[in-house]
Amino acid sequence: DQQVKQNSPSLSVQEGRISILNCDYTNSMFDYFLWYKKYPAEGPTFLISISSIKDKNEDGRFTVFLNKSAKHLSLHIVPSQPGDSAVYFCAASGGGNQFYFGTGTSLTVIP
Amino acid sequence: DTAVSQTPKYLVTQMGNDKSIKCEQNLGHDTMYWYKQDSKKFLKIMFSYNNKELIINETVPNRFSPKSPDKAHLNLHINSLELGDSAVYFCASSQGRGREEQYFGPGTRLTVT
Repeated sequence: DQQVKQNSPSLSVQEGRISILNCDYTNSMFDYFLWYKKYPAEGPTFLISISSIKDKNEDGRFTVFLNKSAKHLSLHIVPSQPGDSAVYFCAASGGGNQFYFGTGTSLTVIP
Repeated sequence: DTAVSQTPKYLVTQMGNDKSIKCEQNLGHDTMYWYKQDSKKFLKIMFSYNNKELIINETVPNRFSPKSPDKAHLNLHINSLELGDSAVYFCASSQGRGREEQYFGPGTRLTVT
């Protein structure tokens, strides 16, 4: 039973434009969320997080938005750069250090 | 300087064999994890150790046995390998046992033939 879903397996965006990656979750107990970025043949690396007490968290070009009522979060990358091309995973936790991951969205930024 | 390292990077073996994957972290973290990423790209936690103590043990066949000789190492031993064990196995670590970012190793691609 997949509690975290990323329904878009892939996304292509022109360089300089906005990339929006989406993530949905089903467990209302989840209250902490992270985004990871993964390059081929490497492990995921942490990108940005958000707690359920916030609805937005920003770090440079990356912003995560959380809509608790819709059980939905999104990652915005502005402006997108070719080096952002990677697989992006969202992960959610309802407590402790146990995180549930989505299946990832492969982002391609076209120069 | 590799923060979380895994060996081997690739492992090809036959059904029924026993194999081990090793993981080491040099970050001074207290907690380590094993994840399995299957063919559908679903990344799922298997085990977590905090200071050598097992704290997360998801529903995993008992053919999988983690071993933590010290807090910098977490090895995964798999007995009687099956075709369905083919996957990428990631080791990770975090500072404590709370909600923190986890640092992942590069993964071990296991192929069972």
